[in-house]
Amino acid sequence: EAQVTQNPRYLITVTGKKLTVTCSQNMNHEYMSWYRQDPGLGLRQIYYSMNVEVTDKGDVPEGYKVSRKEKRNFPLILESPSPNQTSLYFCASSLFGVGNTEAFFGQGTRLTVV
Amino acid sequence: KQEVTQIPAALSVPEGENLVLNCSFTDSAIYNLQWFRQDPGKGLTSLLLIQSSQREQTSGRLNASLDKSSGRSTLYIAASQPGDSATYLCAAPFYNQGGKLIFGQGTELSVKP
Repeated sequence: EAQVTQNPRYLITVTGKKLTVTCSQNMNHEYMSWYRQDPGLGLRQIYYSMNVEVTDKGDVPEGYKVSRKEKRNFPLILESPSPNQTSLYFCASSLFGVGNTEAFFGQGTRLTVV
Repeated sequence: KQEVTQIPAALSVPEGENLVLNCSFTDSAIYNLQWFRQDPGKGLTSLLLIQSSQREQTSGRLNASLDKSSGRSTLYIAASQPGDSATYLCAAPFYNQGGKLIFGQGTELSVKP
C-alpha cells in the first residue's frame, strides 16, 4: 500500500530534550516536506526537500532541522524543543516538487512540549 | 501575497442534502488544486486533485471544479451522509513556491442524521 508513515503518533516531552520524528514514504517520491498545524493558523510548511541531499526552509523553520540522506526518509529534528513547538505535525510527499503531482500526507504526530 | 480562502468556516446540513464547499485563491499561477478531508486530530486524506488544465474531477459522490480565471474551486458533495462529517481543506502549489502547498483554513462540515 502506498503510504507516508510517521512515528511516533503521539509524543509528550520536556523543554530542551532533543527529539526526532521520523517520516518514510514507499512511493519513490522525490519531494518531501514537513508541515505543522495550529488552531487559527492552519497548515504551514516547515522544511522541504526536492531530492536526496537537497533541503530548504519553508515558512516556519526556526527551531527545526531536517536531513534527506535517503530518498524514502525525511526526519524532523527538534534539537531543543520549546512549548511553542507544541503542535500537530504532518509529513508529506509527492512525485515532484513542481507540476501536477498529488501530495500524500502521513497520519500526523501530535507533539506536546511541557 | 498568495492566499487560499475557504468560506464558510463551518457548515451544518441534514443528511441527504447536496452541498457545495467553496475555495478561492488569489493567483491563477497554480500547478493544481487538491481537496483533502481531515477527521478530528487525524491526518489528511486526499480526495481529489484537479490539474491546472482541467475543469473538474469526480470521485463517487464528490465532484470538484476549478476555474483558474476567477480563482475559484468548489467541492460538491451529493446526498450527504453523517460519515461525511469532517473538515475539508483545499490547497494549491503556486508557481515559484518550491512545491509548498498553501492551504485554506478549512470548512468544518457536520451532517446531521
